[in-house]
Amino acid sequence: EIVLTQSPATLSLSPGERATLSCRASQSVSSYLAWYQQKPGQAPRLLIYDASNRATGIPARFSGSGSGTDFTLTISSLEPEDFAVYYCQQRSNWPTWTFGQGTKVEIK
Amino acid sequence: EVQLVESGGGLVKPGGSLRLSCAASGFTFSSYSMNWVRQAPGKGLEWVSSISSSSSYIYYADSVKGRFTISRDNAKNSLYLQMNSLRAEDTAVYYCARDEADTLDYWGQGTLVTVSS
Repeated sequence: EIVLTQSPATLSLSPGERATLSCRASQSVSSYLAWYQQKPGQAPRLLIYDASNRATGIPARFSGSGSGTDFTLTISSLEPEDFAVYYCQQRSNWPTWTFGQGTKVEIK
Repeated sequence: EVQLVESGGGLVKPGGSLRLSCAASGFTFSSYSMNWVRQAPGKGLEWVSSISSSSSYIYYADSVKGRFTISRDNAKNSLYLQMNSLRAEDTAVYYCARDEADTLDYWGQGTLVTVSS
């Protein structure tokens, strides 16, 4: 099983600041990595697929990068609605998919 | 507009059974693989099961294999999850999610399953 490790567990930032979230895979997943955002009481929402492609309707302040085992989600300037939990997910080891444990972005 | 609406959750005793449903609308349901993903209270996401568009391919996480059965009815635009031999550790919100090239692009709001005596 491919294990995804996200860091940090919690990121405390102020609106307007840049957020950098990391996801590391236990073995290469090529570019088959997605990022999701989840707010309290809501379902996850797809942000990024195949490491760097923004999903439909996702603002340009969200960007993804990386390949192989190391990936990054960057939020260039945090808006109030961006404070949430973010998960990475790999689809390389199809049909068994795994998620990271999540990074919470909280207001400082 | 793509919509996925889960139902069927509730309180069930250990060893009991429950059947979840997911009603889909706003897209050609029969063209997409579908998935169930769960989230235990205060925890992260766990993929549970996948079914291909024509039900030809079905997969389960090891944690539910032999106890859960995924199915679909394309005529009714519906996805199902039959859960048997339920355990306390199955307590979670269960989401159905559409599969677009192995990425979960749309999710329902979830239905809560609580396994407790």
